[in-house]
Amino acid sequence: DAGVIQSPRHEVTEMGQEVTLRCKPISGHDYLFWYRQTMMRGLELLIYFNNNVPIDDSGMPEDRFSAKMPNASFSTLKIQPSEPRDSAVYFCASSLGAGESYNEQFFGPGTRLTVL
Amino acid sequence: QQQVKQSPQSLIVQKGGISIINCAYENTAFDYFPWYQQFPGKGPALLIAIRPDVSEKKEGRFTISFNKSAKQFSLHIMDSQPGDSATYFCAATPTTTGNQFYFGTGTSLTVIP
Repeated sequence: DAGVIQSPRHEVTEMGQEVTLRCKPISGHDYLFWYRQTMMRGLELLIYFNNNVPIDDSGMPEDRFSAKMPNASFSTLKIQPSEPRDSAVYFCASSLGAGESYNEQFFGPGTRLTVL
Repeated sequence: QQQVKQSPQSLIVQKGGISIINCAYENTAFDYFPWYQQFPGKGPALLIAIRPDVSEKKEGRFTISFNKSAKQFSLHIMDSQPGDSATYFCAATPTTTGNQFYFGTGTSLTVIP
């Protein structure tokens, strides 16, 4: 398996622009997670899905952020409008299921977002 | 509010030395405690994990020590090597009520040759 695939790997945009980050989870995994990583706050969970349904979006910082999972093999995280404080590395992760034997999260390589 | 507190923020160890990273939590519903290792430019990857019914788990040079009464757990890296230089995250999750991992803020480990 290719692992979790994220695109783009790097994104540089100007304040006010719309940004869309993409993720393809590992085939067969029922859970998908979006994280944001910064030096100040470490790894923050933004939202996670189970079987394409959003379960907990309490980590989404504000209405400018939205996430969708239209099918089991694709998810997007959108920021509109983007702001310089959104600059961070965004990770997507997936896991097979819940419970100790199934909940290992496999992370993608991340998208480094820079908002000028 | 940080559900899992991790220290130190950074750590420098000589080759062959022992690296120790500590984590603490409050939520007694947490029942699974993984450690993730992250190399620069990569996503975190599972290193080792423990459940609270054991006090220690060892895999090669990596050992988790767990103190349930104190609600603390730590990662020990024996015979630290330059290739261990990475950022380490502890995490906790309540496997019976959800699948959300609560990560610590990370420890940047540098092993000096």
